Amino acid sequence: GAGVSQSPSNKVTEKGKDVELRCDPISGHTALYWYRQSLGQGLEFLIYFQGNSAPDKSGLPSDRFSAERTGGSVSTLTIQRTQQEDSAVYLCASSFLASYNYEQYFGPGTRLTVT
Amino acid sequence: EDKVVQSPLSLVVHEGDTVTLNCSYEVTNFRSLLWYKQEKKAPTFLFMLTSSGIEKKSGRLSSILDKKELFSILNITATQTGDSAVYLCAGNSGGSNYKLTFGKGTLLTVNP
Repeated sequence: GAGVSQSPSNKVTEKGKDVELRCDPISGHTALYWYRQSLGQGLEFLIYFQGNSAPDKSGLPSDRFSAERTGGSVSTLTIQRTQQEDSAVYLCASSFLASYNYEQYFGPGTRLTVT
Repeated sequence: EDKVVQSPLSLVVHEGDTVTLNCSYEVTNFRSLLWYKQEKKAPTFLFMLTSSGIEKKSGRLSSILDKKELFSILNITATQTGDSAVYLCAGNSGGSNYKLTFGKGTLLTVNP
């Protein structure tokens, strides 16, 4: 079946502009996660959804970052007034449930470059 | 703050060698440890470990968890060039603050 998909695959934007990143999870997966991977760094957890609810938003780096999920499926990560330090690969993952005994499946990521 | 540390950060071996990758963790409300392989983009799942001392095996790859000493190892025997990748380790916390905390990864290069 289809895996996690993300769009766009690459995004170049000017500093100060807003961007929206999209994630389509695996069908039937109720949990969805956003991570950021900067050059030379591990994956940094940003936020997760169980259904349409985000129980923990503390991983979002600043109030310029927000995420939503509607219909228990597609999620968008929005970065307002982008800064150069936002440049990274943004990875989305999904799992059957947000539980420690279900592995997460990752999408190919969106490479964001802020010039 | 939760922390996962992997070592070495990079490793270069020849085909046929055996490698051991290390992962130590300090994760609040720890529930499980996961290993992923990342070649170009999407990390692909390898193992999930929840119990100490029980080895998980898949072909030439195996992994074990020590919950007393808070570490895990990933072994790859008879390495092949296709094993070249970044190997990521992540600690899984449960409860209301569910999340994965990843290490920075080990870059493995297998030369022919």
